[in-house]
Amino acid sequence: ILNVEQSPQSLHVQEGDSTNFTCSFPSSNFYALHWYRWETAKSPEALFVMTLNGDEKKKGRISATLNTKEGYSYLYIKGSQPEDSATYLCAFFRNAGNMLTFGGGTRLMVKP
Amino acid sequence: EPEVTQTPSHQVTQMGQEVILRCVPISNHLYFYWYRQILGQKVEFLVSFYNNEISEKSEIFDDQFSVERPDGSNFTLKIRSTKLEDSAMYFCASSGTGTGRNSPLHFGNGTRLTVT
Repeated sequence: ILNVEQSPQSLHVQEGDSTNFTCSFPSSNFYALHWYRWETAKSPEALFVMTLNGDEKKKGRISATLNTKEGYSYLYIKGSQPEDSATYLCAFFRNAGNMLTFGGGTRLMVKP
Repeated sequence: EPEVTQTPSHQVTQMGQEVILRCVPISNHLYFYWYRQILGQKVEFLVSFYNNEISEKSEIFDDQFSVERPDGSNFTLKIRSTKLEDSAMYFCASSGTGTGRNSPLHFGNGTRLTVT
């Protein structure tokens, strides 16, 4: 069983705050780490696919870093807006097979 | 933008009945997946499918489950004899024109299955 853990489980912030959350995954047999954004009543949407240790990706106010040696990734949101309210999922692909294993998600609520 | 479509959006069935959940993946994608989420729990992998065969399946995907790509466009999940614990949101996803693991998954909106 692959353990992909996310923390915190939920987070309440004020509009304009910057925030970050953590995904931890197995450091062995790593192939790729995905981040998804999941709004209520919609389907998960991909934010980033990261494969290289030390990689950093950015999309607008959202960025992510990756440390494959120690098995963690951080997702950062700068200047949170109410429309950033969603569940953020990370998912781990190992280097064999074809299975993406999801963490439990971090539910972010941004108050105006 | 092309999207993954799933039907029906909600299915209610009695325990022991067979259900078929349908998905139309994005047309040029090569890798197909089924996931489910039981209320309050993690999104769980069921099965992946590539080149007309299962490429990986989880422990959940036992003999009561099967997948098919009958006509080159639809991708179906069949549950032969539903149990109460099969009640969940089932998501279909597709990815990749290249290596599936490097490509993001595109998800459908899900089918909520309720077994009574």
